[in-house]
Amino acid sequence: KNQVEQSPQSLIILEGKNCTLQCNYTVSPFSNLRWYKQDTGRGPVSLTIMTFSENTKSNGRYTATLDADTKQSSLHITASQLSDSASYICVGGGRTGFQKLVFGTGTRLLVSP
Amino acid sequence: DTGVSQNPRHKITKRGQNVTFRCDPISEHNRLYWYRQTLGQGPEFLTYFQNEAQLEKSRLLSDRFSAERPKGSFSTLEIQRTEQGDSAMYLCASSSIQGAGYGYTFGSGTRLTVV
Repeated sequence: KNQVEQSPQSLIILEGKNCTLQCNYTVSPFSNLRWYKQDTGRGPVSLTIMTFSENTKSNGRYTATLDADTKQSSLHITASQLSDSASYICVGGGRTGFQKLVFGTGTRLLVSP
Repeated sequence: DTGVSQNPRHKITKRGQNVTFRCDPISEHNRLYWYRQTLGQGPEFLTYFQNEAQLEKSRLLSDRFSAERPKGSFSTLEIQRTEQGDSAMYLCASSSIQGAGYGYTFGSGTRLTVV
């Protein structure tokens, strides 16, 4: 069964600190791994997309890593800001006729002043 | 182009009523998707269009749900005889075939509350 599991479920950090979110995926056949940021009441916004041959991808203060052998990914946030408070969703993309995505349940991050 | 647009943003309806949501995708995107998201969960796939053709439907899409994309542009999702379990955020996304469809863009969603 295709699934994506994320940890921790929620996290509170102080403004300016770094944090790392984890993701384990089982998506077959696997094509790509994405991280989305979702603010409350809004749609998900893409942060990074990595194909199975990529190990890392950065987008500003966000850096994602991918280990296709262990089927693990992480999202590292550097120098957190209050605006980083959101849910971060790990998503596996399957290599099917269309880009059907398998979503994790997200990590809810709260950045505290 | 302002991205994927969904209307309305919020809808409160009484159980048993019918509701219809609209999605306007990014104009050059020929693929359109509907997802449903309940509180604390990730989005779940409902259905997918390539141009005007509905190519896949999830088992989550019961007989009360119907989606259309009549001219391959905007799409509508209708729920008939709404139930309290239909309360959720309904998300629309679009992508293009070019770039292996990686450019998935979501709208802001329509939040449905069935009372």
